Amino acid sequence: GAGVSQSPSNKVTEKGKDVELRCDPISGHTALYWYRQSLGQGLEFLIYFQGNSAPDKSGLPSDRFSAERTGGSVSTLTIQRTQQEDSAVYLCASSLERAGVAGYTFGSGTRLTVV
Amino acid sequence: AQSVSQHNHHVILSEAASLELGCNYSYGGTVNLFWYVQYPGQHLQLLLKYFSGDPLVKGIKGFEAEFIKSKFSFNLRKPSVQWSDTAEYFCAVEGNNAGNMLTFGGGTRLMVKP
Repeated sequence: GAGVSQSPSNKVTEKGKDVELRCDPISGHTALYWYRQSLGQGLEFLIYFQGNSAPDKSGLPSDRFSAERTGGSVSTLTIQRTQQEDSAVYLCASSLERAGVAGYTFGSGTRLTVV
Repeated sequence: AQSVSQHNHHVILSEAASLELGCNYSYGGTVNLFWYVQYPGQHLQLLLKYFSGDPLVKGIKGFEAEFIKSKFSFNLRKPSVQWSDTAEYFCAVEGNNAGNMLTFGGGTRLMVKP
């Protein structure tokens, strides 16, 4: 597609429930990133996929968070047993190989509210 | 590990005032540097980037940034701001040996009063 597409745009969930957030990157972009933006905070790196390589999961805050990328394209970020501190905007970005070539293209994000 | 500091969290200016937003990073190797902007209700957009060559980089909408290697800085400037520049600005660094992801600063909220 023309841009990075994320769904849903807004999600309200009850504490303890599982949620899945979807990201559809720009066609042909081999790199895909998930970040989290909390109120008043910067962007916190979560996970990075590059082609068929093993993902860099070093930013995932706990084992309740996981992500997969199927067929080198669509990615799903799953948060199990959600907590109130998980409330944030979850941003997906994609790029051609290294970010330094052209920077990231960001999606509009999924605003997650855990009540 | 690399880190990025943006010392100004909130900046309020009147139209036509000059702008300079500070960005300092810590990383020992070669870096690529970026400024992103997030206008109200919109997604993050690339404002400008530096990865080699002239350390003074010009971006969209009259913005520029200067890479000063000795100071580990990449400050964003604009000679005369407009009300439409009201947004949040993020500095980011990609270290060439740091796994290909960007590390972002905490952001600076700029409000331009008409």
